[in-house]
Parts: sequence; C-alpha cells; structure tokens
Amino acid sequence: AQSVTQLGSHVSVSEGALVLLRCNYSSSVPPYLFWYVQYPNQGLQLLLKYTTGATLVKGINGFEAEFKKSETSFHLTKPSAHMSDAAEYFCAVSEAKYGNKLVFGAGTILRVKS
Amino acid sequence: EPEVTQTPSHQVTQMGQEVILRCVPISNHLYFYWYRQILGQKVEFLVSFYNNEISEKSEIFDDQFSVERPDGSNFTLKIRSTKLEDSAMYFCASSPGQGFDEQYFGPGTRLTVT
Repeated sequence: AQSVTQLGSHVSVSEGALVLLRCNYSSSVPPYLFWYVQYPNQGLQLLLKYTTGATLVKGINGFEAEFKKSETSFHLTKPSAHMSDAAEYFCAVSEAKYGNKLVFGAGTILRVKS
Repeated sequence: EPEVTQTPSHQVTQMGQEVILRCVPISNHLYFYWYRQILGQKVEFLVSFYNNEISEKSEIFDDQFSVERPDGSNFTLKIRSTKLEDSAMYFCASSPGQGFDEQYFGPGTRLTVT
C-alpha cells in the first residue's frame, strides 16, 4: 500500500532563506508524486508533479522537487522564501495500478519570518 | 481559469440528520473525487467516480455515504445519518484523466455535526 511521510509538521524560515520540506513515500510500483499547497480558507493547489522522465521537477512560485528513487524521497525546495509562501504544504502519491486516488502526507505548515 | 466550486462553505447539522454536499467540477473533466480532512489529521480519500459509477472507494465510504452526478454538472456527496465523527472538511476534486493527471480541488465544505 502507498504511504507518505512528511518530516516536520511545522517549519519556520526567515524571508530570503532556503525552504526545504521533506517527503518520503512508500510504493510498490513507480509512483506519481505531487506537492500541493493550501492557503488559509482555500482548496489545495498543485505546485508540481513528477510522473516520468526528468527527476528534477520545477513548479509554480519558484518551487522545485527532486525524485530520488534510491531514497524514496521527493523533497520540496525553494532557494529564497517569500512571506507569501506561508501556507500548508502536502506531499501526495498516486499509483495507476491502484486507481487514481491520492494518498496524502500529514502536511507541513511553513512559517516565514520577516 | 476554470475552477471547482463547492457549496455550502460551512454546514452545521445535528447528529442523525442527512446532509448533501454539492460540487461543480470543471466542465470537461471525467474523473471526480471526494476527500475529507478531520481537524488535525491527514487528507483522506473517500471515493472516485467515473462514467457515472464509483470506480474506487475507501473503507471510510460505508453505506452511510453515497455519491451522485444528477445532471451532468453537479457532483454530490450524501451522508444519510450523520455522526459526530463525520465532522470534517470535505473536498471535491476533478481531473481530466487518471493516474498522473492533476486533480483540481475545490475550496471545501466544513461540516460540523452537533
């Protein structure tokens, strides 16, 4: 069965600092991996996704993530945090073999300090 | 930009009452989903719907739950007899295809069962 672990329920960075949000997954087949962001009182918005091909994936708002099969990881990074990045971030996995459902991690709340 | 909409944004109901949560998916999408997030917990998959039938459901989605696409635009989740533990944020999502296709999420309906 698929599962996702996000290390750190809360991460705090200073404005301009590197953002690193960690995600590890468990999957019996090559996974499809996603990062979603949720701003207060809004739905989940896709930041980026990995399906096949290039393992470094670029998304919106300057975020990127690298799929590392050997480490079963898909960590999210951004070189320089902005105040507007403060939100909750969710890593998710999907396996076509098991249908379309997304299995989410517990989420990481990112706080950006000025 | 097309978006998924959900109504109401907040629903309060008494235990044992029936509730219907409504969603309007993006018009050319083929797959529809319901997820829920109990406060402080992970976003959990409930059900997926394709070609006018349930394609997958979780163990949470028991006989108290049902889904319907009554008119080709709305997608509804009905809870027949609500329990206190049904209190959660319910998210509707839609996608053009399966597997690696992005799921587009609505803003959610917060259901409070008293």
